[in-house]
Formats: sequence, structure tokens, C-alpha cells
Amino acid sequence: EAQVTQNPRYLITVTGKKLTVTCSQNMNHEYMSWYRQDPGLGLRQIYYSMNVEVTDKGDVPEGYKVSRKEKRNFPLILESPSPNQTSLYFCASSFGLGIGNTIYFGEGSWLTVV
Amino acid sequence: SQQGEEDPQALSIQEGENATMNCSYKTSINNLQWYRQNSGRGLVHLILIRSNEREKHSGRLRVTLDTSKKSSSLLITASRAADTASYFCATDAAGNTPLVFGKGTRLSVIA
Repeated sequence: EAQVTQNPRYLITVTGKKLTVTCSQNMNHEYMSWYRQDPGLGLRQIYYSMNVEVTDKGDVPEGYKVSRKEKRNFPLILESPSPNQTSLYFCASSFGLGIGNTIYFGEGSWLTVV
Repeated sequence: SQQGEEDPQALSIQEGENATMNCSYKTSINNLQWYRQNSGRGLVHLILIRSNEREKHSGRLRVTLDTSKKSSSLLITASRAADTASYFCATDAAGNTPLVFGKGTRLSVIA
């Protein structure tokens, strides 16, 4: 079954404690992306990756890091989380960009930073 | 950089009625897609319409695209309570640029 899997699904953490949200897809997609969703602000892209070792900033990259060492994985790293990073995070993937590819989303990770 | 803007922000209708949601965007696009999101869940692709298409159907969904007005509409006919969700448009501009999502329309279908 085609899937984008992200973990953890729910996390409460404290300010400054580094955390990683993992994302894995089983569709051999080249494009992967991270979004955050906040009330009234919709979906905002954090980082995206066109392929292995190729990453680019989205609209709200501050406070986040990503890596793409393997095609299937695209972890999101919060080196020093702050309360304003409390949000619902989505990982997504597709075959590519610009040619009408469907984006597949993970089920979301609820992150609370206290 | 949000390109698509859905309208209305929220819509409440009775089961069996039709629901129409609109999306306006600013720059030229290759494609426009509509996605659905159940509360707190991941988005799911519904339908894609290319810039050279004017209308597309999929089951109870009908999407129109007017590139001269830079707008699209999503019509859900004979709505059901299970259609209750948020609906997002996403635009795909020229070149290898990421899809840009709007803020969504929250649809409530009351049984």
C-alpha cells in the first residue's frame, strides 16, 4: 500500500530539547516536503527536497533542519524547539513537481512545545 | 507565499444540498488541484485540472477552471454528512516549483 509514514504522531516536549520527526515513503518518490498547519494560516511549507542530497527552504524554514540521505526518508529536525513551533506537521511526497503530480500526505504529527 | 485563496472560509449546508467552494490565485499556473482534509488528518488528493481544461468531473465532484479570471470552483453535488471536511486548492506554477496551498474552506454537512 502506498504510504507516507511519519513518527511520532503525538509529542509533547520541552523548550530546547532537540527532536526529530521521521518521514518515510514507499513509493520511490523523488519529491518530499514538510508542512506545518496552524489555525487561520493554512498549510505552510517548511522545507522540500527534489531528490537525494537536494533540499530547499520553503516559506517558514527558520528553526528547522532537514536531510535527505536516502530517497525514502526525509526527517525534520528541530534543534532547539520553542513554543511557537507547536503545530501540526505533515510530511508529503510525490514523483516530481510542475507536471501535475499528486501529493501524498502522511497522517500528521501533533507537536506541543512547552 | 500562499497563492490560492479559498472562499468561503466556512460553509454549512444540509445533507442533499450542493456545496460550492471557490479558489482564486494570482499567477499563471500549469495545474490546479483540490484536496480534502478530515479533521486533524492528512490531506487527500481529490482532482486535478490542467490549465488547458475548463471543467472536470469525478463522481459527485465537478471542478471548473477559468484562467482568465484566475479562479476555480469545486462543486460537490448531493452532499453527505461524510463530506464534512476542509477543502484546499493547490496551484502548480510554471517550472519546478512546489505546490502552494490555500487556507481552505471548512465544509459542514448537517444530517
